[in-house]
Amino acid sequence: DAGVTQSPTHLIKTRGQHVTLRCSPISGHKSVSWYQQVLGQGPQFIFQYYEKEERGRGNFPDRFSARQFPNYSSELNVNALLLGDSALYLCASRWGQSSYEQYFGPGTRLTVT
Amino acid sequence: DAKTTQPNSMESNEEEPVHLPCNHSTISGTDYIHWYRQLPSQGPEYVIHGLTSNVNNRMASLAIAEDRKSSTLILHRATLRDAAVYYCILRDERGTASKLTFGTGTRLQVTL
Repeated sequence: DAGVTQSPTHLIKTRGQHVTLRCSPISGHKSVSWYQQVLGQGPQFIFQYYEKEERGRGNFPDRFSARQFPNYSSELNVNALLLGDSALYLCASRWGQSSYEQYFGPGTRLTVT
Repeated sequence: DAKTTQPNSMESNEEEPVHLPCNHSTISGTDYIHWYRQLPSQGPEYVIHGLTSNVNNRMASLAIAEDRKSSTLILHRATLRDAAVYYCILRDERGTASKLTFGTGTRLQVTL
């Protein structure tokens, strides 16, 4: 069975640019969450979407936005990139709104120069 | 979110049991205790979760103190593939958002 997939694997952007990261959840999973993991730290929650609606938002600026599509895939958008946005961006899916087990993808490594 | 405290790092020999401790003295009655691990260059992976009773699955066991202020993840026979960062997380099941609040975790090293 295919797990959570994310694209691209790696990305290099310049300060001030915009980036779009993509996530495909496990087939049948309706909930997608996004996390940011800075080097040496644990992942930090950014957003959760369930049935195409935002169900949770972490403490991130409005430069960060996301959406979920009818096929339950999701995009994370970051505008006006800062050096501090350099991180591993992880997507996680689960079957329901509050299913216990989340399945994480391998992440997208974003480097902002 | 209630906070957890874990040792920064631990070492174990291969084939030996490993006990990874976690303190969560401010846990509330609706908080579940979740454990995830993150292998090098991978996303986190679910290990186990529990509320009050000890739990076992194919990967590990979770021992929860009677007062629920601490818990221990038990790997019965560590292998080199178990080398990872292990995160102990409290999750309030009441809310509509299902976020996980990760700390810095315990880095487990397994040696031959």
